[in-house]
Amino acid sequence: SAVISQKPSRDICQRGTSLTIQCQVDSQVTMMFWYRQQPGQSLTLIATANQGSEATYESGFVIDKFPISRPNLTFSTLTVSNMSPEDSSIYLCSVGQGARNTEAFFGQGTRLTVV
Amino acid sequence: GIQVEQSPPDLILQEGANSTLRCNFSDSVNNLQWFHQNPWGQLINLFYIPSGTKQNGRLSATTVATERYSLLYISSSQTTDSGVYFCAVAVKGGATNKLIFGTGTLLAVQP
Repeated sequence: SAVISQKPSRDICQRGTSLTIQCQVDSQVTMMFWYRQQPGQSLTLIATANQGSEATYESGFVIDKFPISRPNLTFSTLTVSNMSPEDSSIYLCSVGQGARNTEAFFGQGTRLTVV
Repeated sequence: GIQVEQSPPDLILQEGANSTLRCNFSDSVNNLQWFHQNPWGQLINLFYIPSGTKQNGRLSATTVATERYSLLYISSSQTTDSGVYFCAVAVKGGATNKLIFGTGTLLAVQP
């Protein structure tokens, strides 16, 4: 499977600030996905990041709050903007691997605490 | 949208016991995966199983797509099996690696 590296692995941030999370994959992939996991909850898809086009956001998530970049086929960033304590979550990126890229694999996640 | 429900929500086992976790989904899917989330939050792939049965050591999984459910079997459980188990599906017609996650089962295996 692909090696998916996320940075930072964890951070503690002040409310009102922004944090950019990086996701690097060791092979070229068409789609990258960003998920959020709030404390004690399941994972929820934030957006799909395609190279060369704007990200596609799921219901309840907006570009102003979670801007995404996808400059090439191996890298993406997710920014959490104007943070509040409700943004404290684990953020994970995911890519497809295997035959026809059908199986999803995840980075190790970024554990964000907003104080 | 599709609903993905897992049962039971919580499970406590003694080491050595067996268990069955269930995942029900409300619509046709073209992918189903099982994950184990460890205490550090990392998601570990267990099975890619849109249909049929697979086994990997003490774990096995079965998906009956026509009846919209999947089962994960854990035999001879160990304390290292503790954590949260998620099933996740991809809606038919969409990208197979764009996943909708279930509600999760929190498993605690006691020595």
